[in-house]
Amino acid sequence: AQSVAQPEDQVNVAEGNPLTVKCTYSVSGNPYLFWYVQYPNRGLQFLLKYITGDNLVKGSYGFEAEFNKSQTSFHLKKPSALVSDSALYFCAVHHGSSNTGKLIFGQGTTLQVKP
Amino acid sequence: GAVVSQHPSRVICKSGTSVKIECRSLDFQATTMFWYRQFPKQSLMLMATSNEGSKATYEQGVEKDKFLINHASLTLSTLTVTSAHPEDSSFYICKTGGLDYGYTFGSGTRLTVV
Repeated sequence: AQSVAQPEDQVNVAEGNPLTVKCTYSVSGNPYLFWYVQYPNRGLQFLLKYITGDNLVKGSYGFEAEFNKSQTSFHLKKPSALVSDSALYFCAVHHGSSNTGKLIFGQGTTLQVKP
Repeated sequence: GAVVSQHPSRVICKSGTSVKIECRSLDFQATTMFWYRQFPKQSLMLMATSNEGSKATYEQGVEKDKFLINHASLTLSTLTVTSAHPEDSSFYICKTGGLDYGYTFGSGTRLTVV
């Protein structure tokens, strides 16, 4: 069965420091992986996805993620955190056919960036 | 990418009443709409998948008679919470799109049942 795990409930970083939000996955077949960000009482905003190709995926707002097949990981990274990056982050794996599939979400990680 | 408009953003209703949540696809023919529920500080749980012109497919444990889903056109899918109770209070989010186009979420609806 497809599953996604985000081992950290919360990540705290100082503004200007690099950040990493961890995600590991378990899938059968090719993994299609996503990162989304959610601000309070809002829907999810797409950050980036890995379908195929380069293991390092660049996304919105300066975020990037590295697909590591051997470690079954897809950690989200940013070289220099901003206070405005503070939000709830979800990793997700696609399940099913390309246009009718479901997204299975990790439990979410709260990122807190302090000035 | 697709733009999805979800209304209302917030609703407070009394126990026993019904609430309808709409998701409109503004620039995309949404043959499929996914409905999620999110409890505070928790992840999104898929409730059901609606397909235009056919019956929705519900996830295990989701009461189809309580959460009525209608997807009568390619631009509109609705979720009606019938006979709402306080335990139905939650954040409901719709999603459409696909792997090729990318997925787009509605802005969510905060339902509070008092």
